[in-house]
Amino acid sequence: QLHLQESGPGLVKPSETLSLICAVSGGSISTTSHYWGWIRQSPGKGLEWIGSIYSDGVTYYNPSLEGRVTISVDTSKNQFSLKVNSVTAPDTGVYYCTRDTVKPTPTASDSWGQGILVNVSS
Amino acid sequence: EIVLTQSPGTLSLSPGERATLSCRASQDVDYAYVAWYQQKPGQAPRLLIYGASSRAAGIPDRFSGSGSGTDFTLTVSRLEPEDFAVYYCQQYGNSPFTFGQGTKLEIK
Repeated sequence: QLHLQESGPGLVKPSETLSLICAVSGGSISTTSHYWGWIRQSPGKGLEWIGSIYSDGVTYYNPSLEGRVTISVDTSKNQFSLKVNSVTAPDTGVYYCTRDTVKPTPTASDSWGQGILVNVSS
Repeated sequence: EIVLTQSPGTLSLSPGERATLSCRASQDVDYAYVAWYQQKPGQAPRLLIYGASSRAAGIPDRFSGSGSGTDFTLTVSRLEPEDFAVYYCQQYGNSPFTFGQGTKLEIK
């Protein structure tokens, strides 16, 4: 059974970079049937799609994050990562890594990590 | 960006009753790529419905979805105690993918 696990600092200072990793187990990240993504949840904005990546490295980002986001994949470690630059207080929230199925039928996010709380504060 | 508006904000019902949750999009969702998720406190959302009407793996058949264009509905035919939670719709047909603000289903 597929398992996703987020890891990273729970506290990030304003203006610094938020960095998270999602470790994938129980399945390969090198698949053409799925893509891998990040979604965050905050009291102020609810659920927000951050972006997604295919195993070949093609990425899609939410324009609302104004180019501050980078998602990358490391197939050798079966994991993918998220970086958000120049964070401010509104970037505080629970960050989830997800898997979306695209073949044979797009299903949206059918697997989620447990989530990691990231607080942006000095 | 497609804005999704869910109604009602809170729905108070008793076990055994039928729940009908609405999700309205600000413009047509391509291919009716609308998903519904259930979220309980302290847990990640769980996919219930994709493609507006297809149940995800392991989801009981009391959950059903319908709709097209801009109007979508999640129905729970007979509420079980474990169904009381927050429900979100999401459109994934048009980037950026967006979520509704949620409907809280509470025990009356």
